[in-house]
Amino acid sequence: GAGVSQSPSNKVTEKGKDVELRCDPISGHTALYWYRQSLGQGLEFLIYFQGNSAPDKSGLPSDRFSAERTGGSVSTLTIQRTQQEDSAVYLCASIPPSGLANEQFFGPGTRLTVL
Amino acid sequence: GENVEQHPSTLSVQEGDSAVIKCTYSDSASNYFPWYKQELGKGPQLIIDIRSNVGEKKDQRIAVTLNKTAKHFSLHITETQPEDSAVYFCAADTGRRALTFGSGTRLQVQP
Repeated sequence: GAGVSQSPSNKVTEKGKDVELRCDPISGHTALYWYRQSLGQGLEFLIYFQGNSAPDKSGLPSDRFSAERTGGSVSTLTIQRTQQEDSAVYLCASIPPSGLANEQFFGPGTRLTVL
Repeated sequence: GENVEQHPSTLSVQEGDSAVIKCTYSDSASNYFPWYKQELGKGPQLIIDIRSNVGEKKDQRIAVTLNKTAKHFSLHITETQPEDSAVYFCAADTGRRALTFGSGTRLQVQP
């Protein structure tokens, strides 16, 4: 079946521009996560959505980062006034409602390059 | 918060040999420890996990051990094959549903 999809796969932008990254979780998955993976590094938690509950935004690095999840499905991560240090791969993951609490299914990621 | 350290950062083995990757964690409340494999250009994929009520789990050539007292856990891959070459990440979760990942190990299996 279809897995988690993300778009675009690659995004090159100029410093100071805003970008939007999209995540389509697996249909029916209730929890959705965003992570950031810098070159050669592990995954850094950014934000977590669970159903209709308020999102856990504790991992967002600055107020330039925001995310929303519409209709409990698609999520968009927005980075305003991008900086070169924002360059990274942004990964999205989702969890099935009836699965073990933390079996996360990852998308292929969006590689963001800020020039 | 939780802190996960992983080593080695790179590991090169000959095909057929075993590979071991080790991780330590700081939060004694962590109760779930997954391992992910990430191939080039792809997202991480869960390969095996273990919960804190179990000391060892095995799935074919892959096994994970957990020592709660010492707060460390390890991934063991036996009879390595070239297709095992990838970056492997360990992670820990305290139950707040967001994983804390190690920094990754790049495994290269030489044919």
